[in-house]
Amino acid sequence: EIVLTQSPGTLSLSPGESATLSCRTSQSISSTYLAWYQQKRGQAPRLLIYGASTRATGIPDRFSGSGSGTDFTLTISRLEPEDFAVYFCHQYRNSPLTFGGGTKVEIK
Amino acid sequence: QIQLVQSGPEVKKPGASVRVSCKASGYTFNSYGITWVRQASGQGLEWMGYISAPKGNVKYAQSFQGRVTMTTDTSASTAYMELRGLKSDDTAVYYCARLSVGHCTNDICYFSYPPPDHWGQGTLVTVSS
Repeated sequence: EIVLTQSPGTLSLSPGESATLSCRTSQSISSTYLAWYQQKRGQAPRLLIYGASTRATGIPDRFSGSGSGTDFTLTISRLEPEDFAVYFCHQYRNSPLTFGGGTKVEIK
Repeated sequence: QIQLVQSGPEVKKPGASVRVSCKASGYTFNSYGITWVRQASGQGLEWMGYISAPKGNVKYAQSFQGRVTMTTDTSASTAYMELRGLKSDDTAVYYCARLSVGHCTNDICYFSYPPPDHWGQGTLVTVSS
C-alpha cells in the first residue's frame, strides 16, 4: 500500500498570502497518478489537480501543482476567502487507492 | 453536465446492512468505473473499493473484504454499495465517484486518467442502537 503523508496538518494564513502544501508518498510514483482535492465543510471533495500539475476543468490558475518521485506540492497563490478549506492528496496508480491525511488551510 | 446522485441518509442498528445507490448521468456509464470512499466525521478519506461499469470487475479494500458488495445496473446507470454487519464506527458519509476503468489482476488494479473526478453528494449512514 502506498502511504501518503501530508504536511503541515494546519496552515494559518491571511487572504492574499500564498500557501504551500506538501505530500510525500511512501514509494516513488509516476507524477501521472497524483491528484489534489479541495474539500469544504459538508461538501464532497472537488478535484483540483491531476497528473501532479494539470488543473482540472474550471480550476483557477492560482492553484498549481508540482513534484515527482515521492515529493509533491500544491501551491495556492494569493489566497481568496473561498480557498480556506481542507486539501487532500491522492494516488490513483493502483489499488488500494490512498489519500493523504489532509492539510487544513485556515484564516489567521 | 456530469452528475452522480446518491440515495438519502440512513439510520441503522448495529449488525444491520445498508445499501447506498449512486445514479450517474451526463456521461457514458459503461466507459468508466465507480469507486466508493467514506469519511467519518472530522476524519480523512478512506477508500472502500472499485467496480468496473463495463465488466463488473470489483476490487475491495482489504479492511472491507467479506463485508462489502459493489454492483452496477448498467441499464439504469446506477451503482450500488452494500455494507453488512454494521458497527458504530461505520458511521460516516459514503461517497461514490467516477474514475477510469481499471486494469485488474487477481491481486491489484491499475488505473489511469481520470482520477476520481466527479463525486456524488455523499450519503450519511448512522449506526446506532
